[in-house]
Amino acid sequence: QQQVKQSPQSLIVQKGGISIINCAYENTAFDYFPWYQQFPGKGPALLIAIRPDVSEKKEGRFTISFNKSAKQFSLHIMDSQPGDSATYFCAANGAGSYQLTFGKGTKLSVIP
Amino acid sequence: DTGVSQDPRHKITKRGQNVTFRCDPISEHNRLYWYRQTLGQGPEFLTYFQNEAQLEKSRLLSDRFSAERPKGSFSTLEIQRTEQGDSAMYLCASSSRGYGDQYFGPGTRLLVL
Repeated sequence: QQQVKQSPQSLIVQKGGISIINCAYENTAFDYFPWYQQFPGKGPALLIAIRPDVSEKKEGRFTISFNKSAKQFSLHIMDSQPGDSATYFCAANGAGSYQLTFGKGTKLSVIP
Repeated sequence: DTGVSQDPRHKITKRGQNVTFRCDPISEHNRLYWYRQTLGQGPEFLTYFQNEAQLEKSRLLSDRFSAERPKGSFSTLEIQRTEQGDSAMYLCASSSRGYGDQYFGPGTRLLVL
């Protein structure tokens, strides 16, 4: 049972555009939702994270939007740059477990 | 550099051999996690330590896998009698809080021939 569903699988955005990646979760006990960026051959790097007590969190060009009633959260990358081309993973934990449950990833390509 | 470090970065072994990986967490972090990532997938949780105590283990962690964190600092992950299906990236992460930010190391890429 996949507890965190991520879409789209791949995304192509023009430089300067907005990249939007969506995730949906099933376990209502999840209470921590991070996003990671991963380049080929590297470990995932923490980008930004949110808890359910807020609906939005912004850090630089990265924004998480959180909809608790819909059990959905999304990552927005504003002014996307070619250097943002990477695979992005959403994740969640809580419910008495410290393990992160990851989505399957979105491969983002930002074209000039 | 005070990030999570892992050694070796790459390991090629023959089926049936034993391998051991090491993870050094961020120095002030008392929580340490192991994950496995296969190509095109997100990381999958293997096990979790708080200090030296192993508190969570995934069903993915078969009897051939064992992890230790003897002094609550570095950790080792051993795979005995490796199989081709064990080929993956093995990632280590650490955190200072249970429901908090986990920081990943660069991973150890294992190839079992």
